[in-house]
Amino acid sequence: NAGVTQTPKFQVLKTGQSMTLQCAQDMNHNSMYWYRQDPGMGLRLIYYSASEGTTDKGEVPNGYNVSRLNKREFSLRLESAAPSQTSVYFCASSRPNRGLSTDTQYFGPGTRLTVL
Amino acid sequence: EDQVTQSPEALRLQEGESSSLNCSYTVSGLRGLFWYRQDPGKGPEFLFTLYSAGEEKEKERLKATLTKKESFLHITAPKPEDSATYLCAVQAPMGGSQGNLIFGKGTKLSVKP
Repeated sequence: NAGVTQTPKFQVLKTGQSMTLQCAQDMNHNSMYWYRQDPGMGLRLIYYSASEGTTDKGEVPNGYNVSRLNKREFSLRLESAAPSQTSVYFCASSRPNRGLSTDTQYFGPGTRLTVL
Repeated sequence: EDQVTQSPEALRLQEGESSSLNCSYTVSGLRGLFWYRQDPGKGPEFLFTLYSAGEEKEKERLKATLTKKESFLHITAPKPEDSATYLCAVQAPMGGSQGNLIFGKGTKLSVKP
């Protein structure tokens, strides 16, 4: 099992350019997430998908769109990149804990994005 | 407002010097508290889940405990390879995704030989 994979690992954009971050998981998890991590801010949820065909906003959704392409894949799109979107982006997927109302999340290696 | 606060922000230890990391939380109805380890340039790696006050879990030199207001990550006789940032998170209340987490800012642990 590769777990959660993300592409690309690094990306540099100019202000106004667009790009899509790709995420895939091979653990047959229903739920998937996109986070951003900034120094001094911790991990913040951008969007999540509780199941195939559904997506919902998290804490910081402005400037982003997502697509749950199928059960395995969840992409994050920046339509017009801004310097404030310079960050490290993590994708995660989760499985429910049997008999409990919680999930455990497993993270990918991250994409380091710089917007000039 | 639901939030998670970790202290200290950074901790420097000598190899073998035991210590504890703190995670205090305010959430309406805790459903689960999670500890993750994050190495530089990597994604968070799952360590433990705690569900109720009094619960403890152990893994090698790490032991996590939970009270009604906080959790501690105790590190016994640490080694340099324990150096990492340790993240605490709580399960968001019902209403959002069952899996949504609220993260603290982390404690950066450095263990010197």
